[in-house]
Amino acid sequence: DTEVTQTPKHLVMGMTNKKSLKCEQHMGHRAMYWYKQKAKKPPELMFVYSYEKLSINESVPSRFSPECPNSSLLNLHLHALQPEDSALYLCASSQDAGGRTDTQYFGPGTRLTVL
Amino acid sequence: GEDVEQSLFLSVREGDSSVINCTYTDSSSTYLYWYKQEPGAGLQLLTYIFSNMDMKQDQRLTVLLNKKDKHLSLRIADTQTGDSAIYFCAESMRANAGKSTFGDGTTLTVKP
Repeated sequence: DTEVTQTPKHLVMGMTNKKSLKCEQHMGHRAMYWYKQKAKKPPELMFVYSYEKLSINESVPSRFSPECPNSSLLNLHLHALQPEDSALYLCASSQDAGGRTDTQYFGPGTRLTVL
Repeated sequence: GEDVEQSLFLSVREGDSSVINCTYTDSSSTYLYWYKQEPGAGLQLLTYIFSNMDMKQDQRLTVLLNKKDKHLSLRIADTQTGDSAIYFCAESMRANAGKSTFGDGTTLTVKP
């Protein structure tokens, strides 16, 4: 099973709302990732969690707040977003972060629209 | 820094072979990947190759790696309309601890 699941599939929110994106994997992977992808562009890395600890933050604005409650779950909390934050948000996981086992498996994404 | 480049578009006829090319700059790349993305979907890992390999074949997919020229290619044999998608090349390095560098993607259009 190489499945990463994400909920919700679509999300529309206003600039004053607070919402969360969820990601789950049951492959026993210890690294999880959040990416942002604009249309027709490659995914841009936002955060990496390794063994439930934040290991990489690519200078993401604080209105995005990641959380890794356990090794299978990854959340992205959203607050006071801007319309330019509208994008496809992708979660990925890998066995490890760095080295021979960092092949990443992606979820289907959450399509976020900020009004 | 790392840079991965791909041509943006490729159009082929159904049944032909498709070859998607990628060049990268960092010679310390450990793994090189090909991902497929259909409209509105996430990235699907198609195949990957370790940097000490020259070739990998998996059913209709053949990956060739020329490490000297830092050139990676993906050949799809007997291309079908369902292969129409964006294909991303990506590299990762052991020292980068989880950061992969993606190319801009090649949009493959398969005409019947």
